[in-house]
Amino acid sequence: SQTIHQWPATLVQPVGSPLSLECTVEGTSNPNLYWYRQAAGRGLQLLFYSVGIGQISSEVPQNLSASRPQDRQFILSSKKLLLSDSGFYLCAWSTSVDTQYFGPGTRLTVL
Amino acid sequence: QKEVEQNSGPLSVPEGAIASLNCTYSDRGSQSFFWYRQYSGKSPELIMFIYSNGDKEDGRFTAQLNKASQYVSLLIRDSQPSDSATYLCAVNSGTASKLTFGTGTRLQVTL
Repeated sequence: SQTIHQWPATLVQPVGSPLSLECTVEGTSNPNLYWYRQAAGRGLQLLFYSVGIGQISSEVPQNLSASRPQDRQFILSSKKLLLSDSGFYLCAWSTSVDTQYFGPGTRLTVL
Repeated sequence: QKEVEQNSGPLSVPEGAIASLNCTYSDRGSQSFFWYRQYSGKSPELIMFIYSNGDKEDGRFTAQLNKASQYVSLLIRDSQPSDSATYLCAVNSGTASKLTFGTGTRLQVTL
């Protein structure tokens, strides 16, 4: 069966610091991968998606970036965090069927 | 701009009653429709998906789709306090299995 991992689970970072969140999927090959952000009381905002290694599409221009160095690894990064980057970051995967399955998420607080 | 609209709630129903959650979408070309449940502080989990007009039942849950009216709903029979959560409607946007999410309806099942 497929499993998706995200770490860290929680993170508190000062404004201007860098960020690296990691997501890995087990039990499937060549998944589509997604990064979402959910601000407090808000809906899910798609940030990036990837259909293969090194293939990244950005949905919302901002100070975040994503990379997919391996088939089942998806990384979300920032060089300098803003207060507005606080939120619940969710990684998801799907295969040829469009159902998406979410990881446990990372709660980021930028102070 | 493809949109998915949900009433934010809270929708309050007594234990044992039927909860009816509704969702409308703007893209007539949408083909796949999903309901996710999200407990407070947790990531969304898939409840059901539906592709064809009509009803689809899974245990206490029934998804209803009406493409002509661009309307999808979720019925929860014999509501339990454990059903108290936010329910997210999602619609396939046709590219790389991208989903557009509504902001969710908060359901409260009272004793």
